[in-house]
Amino acid sequence: DVKVTQSSRYLVKRTGEKVFLECVQDMDHENMFWYRQDPGLGLRLIYFSYDVKMKEKGDIPEGYSVSREKKERFSLILESASTNQTSMYLCASSGGAPGELFFGEGSRLTVL
Amino acid sequence: DQQVKQNSPSLSVQEGRISILNCDYTNSMFDYFLWYKKYPAEGPTFLISISSIKDKNEDGRFTVFLNKSAKHLSLHIVPSQPGDSAVYFCAASDSGDYKLSFGAGTTVTVRA
Repeated sequence: DVKVTQSSRYLVKRTGEKVFLECVQDMDHENMFWYRQDPGLGLRLIYFSYDVKMKEKGDIPEGYSVSREKKERFSLILESASTNQTSMYLCASSGGAPGELFFGEGSRLTVL
Repeated sequence: DQQVKQNSPSLSVQEGRISILNCDYTNSMFDYFLWYKKYPAEGPTFLISISSIKDKNEDGRFTVFLNKSAKHLSLHIVPSQPGDSAVYFCAASDSGDYKLSFGAGTTVTVRA
């Protein structure tokens, strides 16, 4: 069964802390994505990657960076967490039909 | 500005009746449309899709209709079942692109 695994389901951090969200997929997919989900706003794309070492900004990249050193792993980094980054973060991968994403279970981040 | 809009945040329907979810888009480059379903504490899962060369696609109880001239699509669930209670996201892409733009979601509640 295909799987996208996000390392932390729930995190609580303080303003200014550095936060790492890890995502691993076991489907040998080329493409990986980070979205955040907020009420009334749906899913918004933060960053994506179509290949190892490659990254592209999505619609809301400010305050975030990413790392893709290996094909199966895509990390989201908050260099200095702020309260407006409190959200549900969803990682996804795809490798087949365009648009058909496989999502992880999400990481709920609270920044105090 | 959101390019995919779901203007109804919630929908309540009786078991056995039809659920109709609506979605509008503004980007004329979009030519591939998808619906995702999300249960609480889980990631979204792909439900059904439609290409702009079609105006209807059916999969069991789920049918998606596309009206390109109106830039509108809808998802019909017939008959609705309690297990259909979830958040439904409409998504769209340019078929040459793997990344998706999502709507804000519609929460469906199926009453017994």
